[in-house]
Amino acid sequence: DAKTTQPTSMDCAEGRAANLPCNHSTISGNEYVYWYRQIHSQGPQYIIHGLKNNETNEMASLIITEDRKSSTLILPHATLRDTAVYYCIVSDRYGGATNKLIFGTGTLLAVQP
Amino acid sequence: NAGVTQTPKFQVLKTGQSMTLQCAQDMNHEYMSWYRQDPGMGLRLIHYSVGAGITDQGEVPNGYNVSRSTTEDFPLRLLSAAPSQTSVYFCASSYLSGGRNTIYFGEGSWLTVV
Repeated sequence: DAKTTQPTSMDCAEGRAANLPCNHSTISGNEYVYWYRQIHSQGPQYIIHGLKNNETNEMASLIITEDRKSSTLILPHATLRDTAVYYCIVSDRYGGATNKLIFGTGTLLAVQP
Repeated sequence: NAGVTQTPKFQVLKTGQSMTLQCAQDMNHEYMSWYRQDPGMGLRLIHYSVGAGITDQGEVPNGYNVSRSTTEDFPLRLLSAAPSQTSVYFCASSYLSGGRNTIYFGEGSWLTVV
């Protein structure tokens, strides 16, 4: 069973921030939160990951609550090309390295013009 | 640097036929794996490998074989194709470096079994 819960779908206006929530209430102390996205018919693409501190890279920001039971992926200025299914995954660092990631059904983000 | 390359991109098989999906990576990654994705669902792990000569089963290994004779290649063999194996197959590779475990996926292989 997937260890995360995400909304099935979300809409966002182009140019606005997209905030994608994820619940992972059973996360263990050594497990990371990973975010991947899958644009239609393509292979999944890595976005960002974190352990307990907030993280930011060129694609997105990841906000993890202090108790680590939930997180939010933020796309600061969504574009039409960000329309995709976003997967939130929890795994230890070796699980990520050995590709033993469990993908749920993710959140379909639809960016509207 | 081509990343992860999968062939073929599309394939139609008859029930009972066998075939091999090829996967190659040129990034010298230790870890490789195969996932399948059925319509409207997330990816499910079939088999994975942590290095040349080492493979292990994932969530849905039945009906598939793998081998890892080199670091670069990780072929997936369908022994006797069944309609239930109609799916999109993704190969992936990654390496472990500090806390970062970025996984690179191929573009997918669409398989239809009739």
